[in-house]
Amino acid sequence: QVQLVQSGAEVKRPGSSVKVSCRASGGTFSDYAISWVRQAPGRGLEWMGGIIPIFRTPNYAQKFQGRVTITTDESSSTAYMELRSLRSEDTAVYYCAREILVAGPPTTWLDPWGQGTLVTVSA
Amino acid sequence: SSELTQDPAVSVALGQTVRITCQGDSLRSYYASWYQQKPGQAPVLVIYSKTNRPSGIPDRFSGSGSGNTASLTITGAQAEDEADYYCHSRDNSANHSVFGTGTKVTVL
Repeated sequence: QVQLVQSGAEVKRPGSSVKVSCRASGGTFSDYAISWVRQAPGRGLEWMGGIIPIFRTPNYAQKFQGRVTITTDESSSTAYMELRSLRSEDTAVYYCAREILVAGPPTTWLDPWGQGTLVTVSA
Repeated sequence: SSELTQDPAVSVALGQTVRITCQGDSLRSYYASWYQQKPGQAPVLVIYSKTNRPSGIPDRFSGSGSGNTASLTITGAQAEDEADYYCHSRDNSANHSVFGTGTKVTVL
């Protein structure tokens, strides 16, 4: 059974960067995609981007293009999400999740999810 | 457009049935999945591939849909079902996942 464990909470200054990790156990890490989702306080879920480790090619939501980088380290079964040029609006809980994509009929779902990492951006 | 729209809030009497809907063009290409999120917790998958329930999810949760609409139905709602619910699909043209705006379910 796949489990995802994320790194701990962070407090960052505006303009700095944060890198959140997501370590997977169980299953074969290279077989599945990892997506990153964030949730600002009192707001809904927002997909940021994802990566399929075996392809190592991430894709990002347009909103975060140029500011986010998603990578994986297969040797440690760990995915990373780095967000740069932080601003107060980036204060949120950041989740990683395994994304399953099926071709026929086309469907996708996210399961399991990491426990979430609170990133607070404050001067 | 890749937006998925949900009603912001619905309420249901204990033991009654409630249906949550999700609308968007991406649902014409990809089946929906649904997530339950309780305060301070990570989302939990309750329906995948439009109609399938993961193991451990009570059978009072069911999914359906056609065209640009997906639905999550809770039949015989329990107090522990009070939560936020999000639909999820994929924008095929942009190769992006997309979430619905979320529905807060209150059990009276």
